Amino acid sequence: SAVISQKPSRDICQRGTSLTIQCQVDSQVTMMFWYRQQPGQSLTLIATANQGSEATYESGFVIDKFPISRPNLTFSTLTVSNMSPEDSSIYLCSAAGRANERNTEAFFGQGTRLTVV
Amino acid sequence: KQEVTQIPAALSVPEGENLVLNCSFTDSAIYNLQWFRQDPGKGLTSLLLIQSSQREQTSGRLNASLDKSSGRSTLYIAASQPGDSATYLCAVMDTGRRALTFGSGTRLQVQP
Repeated sequence: SAVISQKPSRDICQRGTSLTIQCQVDSQVTMMFWYRQQPGQSLTLIATANQGSEATYESGFVIDKFPISRPNLTFSTLTVSNMSPEDSSIYLCSAAGRANERNTEAFFGQGTRLTVV
Repeated sequence: KQEVTQIPAALSVPEGENLVLNCSFTDSAIYNLQWFRQDPGKGLTSLLLIQSSQREQTSGRLNASLDKSSGRSTLYIAASQPGDSATYLCAVMDTGRRALTFGSGTRLQVQP
C-alpha cells in the first residue's frame, strides 16, 4: 500500500491565524484529495488537488478559505485560513491511482487534528 | 448526489461472535467500494476493496460483499476479537473524479 505522511499530526491555533498542512506520498499518484472530519462525524470531501492547476472544490468549500497546492505527483498542501473554532476538525489527505496499479484503491494519511481556540 | 448509509450506528458484542455490518448507497454507478477501519483519533486503514464488477472480497476474518444493482454492501467479521473494536467506515468511489463518499460509520465494541 502507499505510505502517506501528513504533518503536522496535530496543532492548537489561535483564531484568525492560518495553518498549512503538508501531505507527502511515497510514490507518484494520479489523484490526491483533502477531507475533513468534524467531531463525531464522518469524512466530507473538501476538494480534489489537481497537479499543476487549481483545485476543484466541493459545495460549501471555497479557495479563499482552503487554498490547496499540488506542485507535483507526490505532494500537496492544504491551508486553513483565518481560522475560527468551527474549523476544529481532523483534516485528512488521501491518494489514489498509483502507477501500474490495476485497482484504484484510496489510501489515507494519519490526519491532522486541528483545534482552534 | 450519492448518499451512503450505514447500519447499525453502534454495535456491542461479546468476543467470539460473528457479525455483519451493513452499507447502502443511492447511486449504483460506482467505480468501487472500500471498507475502512478508524481507531479513535487516528487515520483510516483500508480493509477491503471491491471493484464494481466484483461480488465479494475476503481478507482473513473479514469478508465483504457487494450487490451494486441494489446498492448494498455488507462486511462480515468472523470470530470477533477485542482488537476489532473500532469504527468501520464504508465508502464508495465515483466513476469521475474517483473521490470517496463516506457513510457515517458503525462503532464496534467487542467485549472480552
